[in-house]
Amino acid sequence: AQSVSQHNHHVILSEAASLELGCNYSYGGTVNLFWYVQYPGQHLQLLLKYFSGDPLVKGIKGFEAEFIKSKFSFNLRKPSVQWSDTAEYFCAVRLNTGGFKTIFGAGTRLFVKA
Amino acid sequence: EAGVAQSPRYKIIEKRQSVAFWCNPISGHATLYWYQQILGQGPKLLIQFQNNGVVDDSQLPKDRFSAERLKGVDSTLKIQPAKLEDSAVYLCASSPEMGTEAFFGQGTRLTVV
Repeated sequence: AQSVSQHNHHVILSEAASLELGCNYSYGGTVNLFWYVQYPGQHLQLLLKYFSGDPLVKGIKGFEAEFIKSKFSFNLRKPSVQWSDTAEYFCAVRLNTGGFKTIFGAGTRLFVKA
Repeated sequence: EAGVAQSPRYKIIEKRQSVAFWCNPISGHATLYWYQQILGQGPKLLIQFQNNGVVDDSQLPKDRFSAERLKGVDSTLKIQPAKLEDSAVYLCASSPEMGTEAFFGQGTRLTVV
């Protein structure tokens, strides 16, 4: 069965530290990849997405992610986090078959210490 | 642009009662999704509509859950009767078409006691 794994459930960083959140998926076909963010008390928002082309994609607020097809990975990175990045981050994979089913990972809760 | 609207925001019911959630997607969006997000887990797709037709309801517990989108615009999700394990946030999302970016509502937090 298709699945999405996020390696860390909780991450605590100090401001200005670098961030990398892991995401791996299990599906052999064509996929679209997403990172969503949910700030405290707010709805899920799209951070960035990969459909095709350059595997290094840049999103809002200085985030980027790299699609490595051979590793079935789509890791999220940010060189220097801020206190305002405290949120929960979800990796999602959309299967390009039929109804374009989207599968979410369990999420990573990031807490940035000021 | 108005976002995806959901109501109510919170609901507490006793087990075996019924409950309904409402979603109004972004205007013009053909695809509508209902997700269930249990605490500590990612959203799980319950049902996906394309206009007023069901595209995927493979993970919808059909013995107790039902959803409709009669006019291809707003949608309701119903649980009857509710179980304790139905406690979760129910998220509605919409996208212009299948295969495009989905926009999420604030969700309805359901607590079954």
